[in-house]
Amino acid sequence: LAKTTQPISMDSYEGQEVNITCSHNNIATNDYITWYQQFPSQGPRFIIQGYKTKVTNEVASLFIPADRKSSTLSLPRVSLSDTAVYYCLVVPGGYQKVTFGTGTKLQVIP
Amino acid sequence: DAGVIQSPRHEVTEMGQEVTLRCKPISGHDYLFWYRQTMMRGLELLIYFNNNVPIDDSGMPEDRFSAKMPNASFSTLKIQPSEPRDSAVYFCASSLSGLGSYNEQFFGPGTRLTVL
Repeated sequence: LAKTTQPISMDSYEGQEVNITCSHNNIATNDYITWYQQFPSQGPRFIIQGYKTKVTNEVASLFIPADRKSSTLSLPRVSLSDTAVYYCLVVPGGYQKVTFGTGTKLQVIP
Repeated sequence: DAGVIQSPRHEVTEMGQEVTLRCKPISGHDYLFWYRQTMMRGLELLIYFNNNVPIDDSGMPEDRFSAKMPNASFSTLKIQPSEPRDSAVYFCASSLSGLGSYNEQFFGPGTRLTVL
């Protein structure tokens, strides 16, 4: 499986846009990029997945450049409730066994 | 659907006791996963099942840990005997296969286990 690298932590003020970048240099052709969010004392929650270019949903946007060696999760206008750990995963399509790394701990400051 | 259900939510036990954690996956999901999360080791996959059959238990730390899935709506993770180092939050998750892309896993609320 492709190894991912993302910042350990980030701080942001409320109302700002937050971009979390994940590096995955050895991503394979059939790999998908998936992000999970984990609030304190809860299980992880799937937030977005993409293969290439841009994907947007009601929670976030995911930007993937043409070479797919990195991806950026964008959270628009964060609030205190967005304080969480964000995990980047790169997983082959249909593959079930995944590895959650250390994730990025986002702290939103009032 | 109620989502993935886990019980108990909190468990405090003494070293040497048997501990049983329970999970009810989302109806219709054919994959079930057990994870353990600690500050030191992060979120680790212990074992996962497909159609009630264990597929990969390479993450189970040792023989003290065992997991079963007697039917599509119920699974247990048992620790016997328990040790203080087993203290962690244990998550159960389920997913539905058959999709070409990655299959989203739905996590339960977790069981916080404390072994004294």
